[in-house]
Amino acid sequence: QKEVEQDPGPLSVPEGAIVSLNCTYSNSAFQYFMWYRQYSRKGPELLMYTYSSGNKEDGRFTAQVDKSSKYISLFIRDSQPSDSATYLCAMSKAAGNKLTFGGGTRVLVKP
Amino acid sequence: NAGVTQTPKFRILKIGQSMTLQCAQDMNHNYMYWYRQDPGMGLKLIYYSVGAGITDKGEVPNGYNVSRSTTEDFPLRLELAAPSQTSVYFCASSPTGGDRLGYGYTFGSGTRLTVV
Repeated sequence: QKEVEQDPGPLSVPEGAIVSLNCTYSNSAFQYFMWYRQYSRKGPELLMYTYSSGNKEDGRFTAQVDKSSKYISLFIRDSQPSDSATYLCAMSKAAGNKLTFGGGTRVLVKP
Repeated sequence: NAGVTQTPKFRILKIGQSMTLQCAQDMNHNYMYWYRQDPGMGLKLIYYSVGAGITDKGEVPNGYNVSRSTTEDFPLRLELAAPSQTSVYFCASSPTGGDRLGYGYTFGSGTRLTVV
């Protein structure tokens, strides 16, 4: 069993819809949670970062962490074709520790 | 522009050949990493370094070697290339290892390697 599970998709939505992405994890020691966006043939780029449980909002993006359920989510409001990419969740146990990545979910936003 | 630079962008190797993937960063980051990404899969850590002269294995180190003689450079060496090493290789760096301050990793644009 993988430490971090993520549905590979693809997730196809019409422009303007809400995109809902999630990851589950098995190790309760994870405390730092991130979402990376990766465009085709590019390296991942940090999108959102949260520490421990709670919500964080940044423009059209909202990240949620539920440590009791070992479940994290990313919501993209008013999705745009430019949001079409692969979204990777990542998490670490403590400062100074390495990141563990999910397999990524491919998202397609159709005009 | 500041960031992580990887060379080459593409390479085709024959089985048994060797090569070095170059990675350089100009952000004075202490931590550097090498990942491989296979189609439909996430990133798997090959090796990482917490500073010049210090390296350690990740989850898939077999068939690879690294060195870190300077803060800026972190080359990845493939010895005796095998088809299983066909992948996209990403180098990344961060000022700390665990994103305590939310810096995240800065990734290079990748090297696409095919072993035939």
